[in-house]
Amino acid sequence: QKEVEQDPGPLSVPEGAIVSLNCTYSNSAFQYFMWYRQYSRKGPELLMYTYSSGNKEDGRFTAQVDKSSKYISLFIRDSQPSDSATYLCAMSRTGGYQKVTFGTGTKLQVIP
Amino acid sequence: DGGITQSPKYLFRKEGQNVTLSCEQNLNHDAMYWYRQDPGQGLRLIYYSQIVNDFQKGDIAEGYSVSREKKESFPLTVTSAQKNPTAFYLCASSIAQDYEQYFGPGTRLTVT
Repeated sequence: QKEVEQDPGPLSVPEGAIVSLNCTYSNSAFQYFMWYRQYSRKGPELLMYTYSSGNKEDGRFTAQVDKSSKYISLFIRDSQPSDSATYLCAMSRTGGYQKVTFGTGTKLQVIP
Repeated sequence: DGGITQSPKYLFRKEGQNVTLSCEQNLNHDAMYWYRQDPGQGLRLIYYSQIVNDFQKGDIAEGYSVSREKKESFPLTVTSAQKNPTAFYLCASSIAQDYEQYFGPGTRLTVT
């Protein structure tokens, strides 16, 4: 079983829809949670970074962490065609340098 | 304009040849990383370095080598011992005690 599970998609939604992207994990020691956006043939770009449980909002993006369920989500409001990309979740433990574990990514397509 | 640069963007080599991928950052980050990305497998850590003149093996270091002679530079050599070298290679950096990793644009290596 992988430490981090992420549905690969693809997920197709109409422009303006609310998008929900999710990851589950098995390691309860994970404390730091990140979401990256990766356009085709480009490097990942950090979107959201949260510590422990709770919500964090940045513009149209909201990250949620539910440590009791070992489940994290990224919501995109008013989705745009420019949001079409692969979204990677990532997480790491606390204390000094800790290896970051990445999900395999969910491909999102926002249709105009 | 701070960031991470990787060169070249595309690289073609014949089987049996060593090849070196460049990674330079001007973010003044202490830590640097090399990942490999293959379809359906997510990012896998090859090597990482927390300070100059020090580096550690990641999950898939066999067939790769690195050096860290300068804070700004972390070149990766793909040797002929790497059995499946064709992949998308990503370099990243972070402030050593932080967990946010920032990625370069990547190098796509094709070995035939």
